[in-house]
Amino acid sequence: NAGVTQTPKFQVLKTGQSMTLQCAQDMNHNSMYWYRQDPGMGLRLIYYSASEGTTDKGEVPNGYNVSRLNKREFSLRLESAAPSQTSVYFCASSDPVRDLNQPQHFGDGTRLSIL
Amino acid sequence: AQSVTQLGSHVSVSEGALVLLRCNYSSSVPPYLFWYVQYPNQGLQLLLKYTSAATLVKGINGFEAEFKKSETSFHLTKPSAHMSDAAEYFCAVNLNQAGTALIFGKGTTLSVSS
Repeated sequence: NAGVTQTPKFQVLKTGQSMTLQCAQDMNHNSMYWYRQDPGMGLRLIYYSASEGTTDKGEVPNGYNVSRLNKREFSLRLESAAPSQTSVYFCASSDPVRDLNQPQHFGDGTRLSIL
Repeated sequence: AQSVTQLGSHVSVSEGALVLLRCNYSSSVPPYLFWYVQYPNQGLQLLLKYTSAATLVKGINGFEAEFKKSETSFHLTKPSAHMSDAAEYFCAVNLNQAGTALIFGKGTTLSVSS
């Protein structure tokens, strides 16, 4: 009963390095999301994918790219990491097409530090 | 723009006391409303969600929330706090559009003392 799986759980990068955060869900959900969580800011949407083959910008997309690889997987890429991107990143999924009131299911997060 | 306001970034209660966490939303139509809980170093877990079937919603761990349209509020309560309730709580709304994401409040950290 995995739900939403994120890898890695922790990562330390140097400024300018690139990396990809992976997310996979096994609930056959159509929609997937990437959020970042910073102290006192709540969760802010970076990008989302309403369905396979589509992606849209959220509130804070600058410095990130995403790929909806297939229905299960949605990755987040930092091309050139900056200290301002130090944060905890959460992936989530849901199926609002089936039920607008369906909640989102979250992974355990990736804690990313950029030096 | 739609928004969610959680009043009080920190709430402290004694074990056994009433828990009240406040959430107000701004929306021209009643949105879909949720409360999530986050324990340290974990992801978010759904506590409860509002459906139009009832204004008083019961969730897990003894929590409940009441939807008040006239006050645009969806406050979270629990009659008697337990030490294990210490966590961060987020109120969130979903617009009435398929595929759109949640809008989260900034969170309220609940501390419970013995």
